[in-house]
Amino acid sequence: AQSVTQLDSHVSVSEGTPVLLRCNYSSSYSPSLFWYVQHPNKGLQLLLKYTSAATLVKGINGFEAEFKKSETSFHLTKPSAHMSDAAEYFCVVRARSGSARQLTFGSGTQLTVLP
Amino acid sequence: GAGVSQSPSNKVTEKGKDVELRCDPISGHTALYWYRQRLGQGLEFLIYFQGNSAPDKSGLPSDRFSAERTGESVSTLTIQRTQQEDSAVYLCASSLVSSGTSYNEQFFGPGTRLTVL
Repeated sequence: AQSVTQLDSHVSVSEGTPVLLRCNYSSSYSPSLFWYVQHPNKGLQLLLKYTSAATLVKGINGFEAEFKKSETSFHLTKPSAHMSDAAEYFCVVRARSGSARQLTFGSGTQLTVLP
Repeated sequence: GAGVSQSPSNKVTEKGKDVELRCDPISGHTALYWYRQRLGQGLEFLIYFQGNSAPDKSGLPSDRFSAERTGESVSTLTIQRTQQEDSAVYLCASSLVSSGTSYNEQFFGPGTRLTVL
């Protein structure tokens, strides 16, 4: 069984300040982990993925995430928020040996960027 | 096309009516997925098509839900006798085949927002 918990349903930051979106996972197998972003009226877009290589993963638009097995976490960070980062973010876990149905989505974190 | 497209973008229907949602995947993507996203929640897997294999229907919530896909082209998700709890955004995604330890990115469409009155 696997699950993912996004610890904050809403995060608000000022433009130019750091972003931290928290995600904890639970998986019986060595997991693959992903972050997706959903802008209003647009499809989900893959930001980055962890599949067992380097634990610090860099994605698009300056985002990165660090896989910490000891803490079962995969938090998403960005050094400096931009107005265009305002969107909903989903943490996703997939069991390494799983099929497509093994993708489990978190409930999402709505990021607001204040001017 | 350039990405996954879905139609209609919005659908309002009355309780008890049938609805049909359409998904056009990216050309060449053999895998196609349907998800449901309720307000304030993450995505729930509904059904998965992979080429000519039997679809994985394990996520369909009831027998009122069905989906079809012909070959590697368009898919339709049908909800019969709609209920208010069916109100949600229905998302479609496509990818190259993913199995075992490999993962190919799923590309998502913009979704169909279904409102059942």
